[in-house]
Amino acid sequence: QSALTQPASVSGSPGQSITISCSGTSSDVGGYNFVSWYQQHPGKAPKLIIYDVSSRPSGVSDRFSGSKSGNTASLTISGLQTDDEADYYCNSYARGNTLLFGGGTKLTVL
Amino acid sequence: QVQLVQSGSYLKKPGASVRISCKTSGFNFTTYSMNWVRQAPGQGLEWMGWIYTRTGNPTYAQGFTGRFVFSSDTAVSTTYLEINNLEAADTAVYYCARSPSWRMLDSWGQGSLVTVSS
Repeated sequence: QSALTQPASVSGSPGQSITISCSGTSSDVGGYNFVSWYQQHPGKAPKLIIYDVSSRPSGVSDRFSGSKSGNTASLTISGLQTDDEADYYCNSYARGNTLLFGGGTKLTVL
Repeated sequence: QVQLVQSGSYLKKPGASVRISCKTSGFNFTTYSMNWVRQAPGQGLEWMGWIYTRTGNPTYAQGFTGRFVFSSDTAVSTTYLEINNLEAADTAVYYCARSPSWRMLDSWGQGSLVTVSS
């Protein structure tokens, strides 16, 4: 299976909102509600910020939200803060009992 | 609290083997599966597979069969990744991550850097 498709980079100013897309197929993103998102700061381990498409783990800011339409999932970050500058990865369960990551998106807060 | 503590960094020669450990605490080890994720320098995350700790049954992703071996020891709540016949392309940070199901990887180790160089 191929990796999920994410934009290489997005940017926004403090206080603005941005959306990162994650495109797959009906065999992964479109076929299951098992999409998760991870935030990774440089030199650090990834951190789960969204699971089951739109659920947030305890302790994750409600500025992070997720959604899905067809074969594309999206992560929206509202009220951008400087600490949101990081790499973001989507992940989905895929047919055949496997997990797929997206290629990652670098968020720059201008 | 949930903790996943990985063994340190490794410098290995091509053809050698390496065994990375991921010691867990703060939860019932056998009620979770343990995943391995690779991140090559400057690259994205790549799911390598997981091990169902209750039975020790591993599942390997495409591209990670043959030289890669997952194992676990429930007595010490630890999972292991062994890579045999190392190649330069194996140079990467390797993360262990806990998953309660296919839904998420909810806790991660700090990563172990493996450098393969002659």
